[in-house]
Amino acid sequence: KAGVTQTPRYLIKTRGQQVTLSCSPISGHRSVSWYQQTPGQGLQFLFEYFSETQRNKGNFPGRFSGRQFSNSRSEMNVSTLELGDSALYLCASSPDPGKNSPLHFGNGTRLTVT
Amino acid sequence: EDQVTQSPEALRLQEGESSSLNCSYTVSGLRGLFWYRQDPGKGPEFLFTLYSAGEEKEKERLKATLTKKESFLHITAPKPEDSATYLCAVQAHAGGGADGLTFGKGTHLIIQP
Repeated sequence: KAGVTQTPRYLIKTRGQQVTLSCSPISGHRSVSWYQQTPGQGLQFLFEYFSETQRNKGNFPGRFSGRQFSNSRSEMNVSTLELGDSALYLCASSPDPGKNSPLHFGNGTRLTVT
Repeated sequence: EDQVTQSPEALRLQEGESSSLNCSYTVSGLRGLFWYRQDPGKGPEFLFTLYSAGEEKEKERLKATLTKKESFLHITAPKPEDSATYLCAVQAHAGGGADGLTFGKGTHLIIQP
């Protein structure tokens, strides 16, 4: 069974630009979550999607947004990039958010903002 | 606000030298505590879920335990391939805040041959 796939693996953007990251969950998984990982803050929850609806959102500004498609694939978008947005962005999937299923993570997209 | 503190931040052991990693947490109603392993350049890999105090789970050289305030990850006779960053995370019951996991900053474990 294929794992969580994130594309692209690496991105370099300039301040003020916007970026879109993509995530394909494990087949059959309908919940997708996004996390930001930095050396200083560790992993921080961005948002979770299920059935094309955002269920939960962490404490990030409105520049961070996401969406989920009918096939459970998800994208996240960051607008007006800042230097502090440089991080590893991780996507994770689980079968159903209502059950205590563990999250399965992809290998992330490394975003560098210059 | 849910909080997770892991100690030590880094740990260097000789191959075969057993030890324990600590995860202290405060959460408004624990739904689950999770342990992950993360290798450089990769995403976290799921190890265990613990739900209630007194619960224990084992996998090869790893054993996770849970109390009402902390969890331990015991590593018995580790091998160099056990070198990684070990992450602890908690999830609160619905209504206790954002439903996402709250992670600690991890323990960077190095096992020397």
